[in-house]
Amino acid sequence: AQKITQTQPGMFVQEKEAVTLDCTYDTSDPSYGLFWYKQPSSGEMIFLIYQGSYDQQNATEGRYSLNFQKARKSANLVISASQLGDSAMYFCAMVGGGADGLTFGKGTHLIIQP
Amino acid sequence: KAGVTQTPRYLIKTRGQQVTLSCSPISGHRSVSWYQQTPGQGLQFLFEYFSETQRNKGNFPGRFSGRQFSNSRSEMNVSTLELGDSALYLCASSLEARQTQETQYFGPGTRLLVL
Repeated sequence: AQKITQTQPGMFVQEKEAVTLDCTYDTSDPSYGLFWYKQPSSGEMIFLIYQGSYDQQNATEGRYSLNFQKARKSANLVISASQLGDSAMYFCAMVGGGADGLTFGKGTHLIIQP
Repeated sequence: KAGVTQTPRYLIKTRGQQVTLSCSPISGHRSVSWYQQTPGQGLQFLFEYFSETQRNKGNFPGRFSGRQFSNSRSEMNVSTLELGDSALYLCASSLEARQTQETQYFGPGTRLLVL
């Protein structure tokens, strides 16, 4: 069975600071994909970044980067230069080779303060 | 390119009724997955459809069903609604049948309230 753990229920960060959202995962599949999604209060899940289990380098997408530490089964999201619009729920998710759908963590509620 | 669309956006039903939710994937996407999001259980996978066939199904009772049409549009149906079915139902599409590298793109969701 797959499991995603996000240990930070909520975070307050000052605008323009960098923020790291924690995610650890558990799977026995050698092949898997890791995803981060942002969910504003409107409800829509917005895809941010993807990391494959065989990728040698950490994924980056604009202000988002994924700190992938395979041996530690860790896939932390780093947001550089945070903005007020970054305030939202953030979900870490994974899919394995034989998985039934994305497995999500419980999310981190990020609030950016001016 | 238009994103994933879901209709209706909001729905109020009473216990015992049935409901049908609709999802139109991104143009060219052939796989559609459905998820239920509740405050207590979080995000849970319902099922995935590809080429009009259900490929995977999550741990939900048979009251939850779905289908996919030849144009990749999908519907999900919940019969004999219970209070616990109140949730945000999210549809996601991807290019192909889901593999580890396929990104799923989500729609805005349908908020269902069962009274």
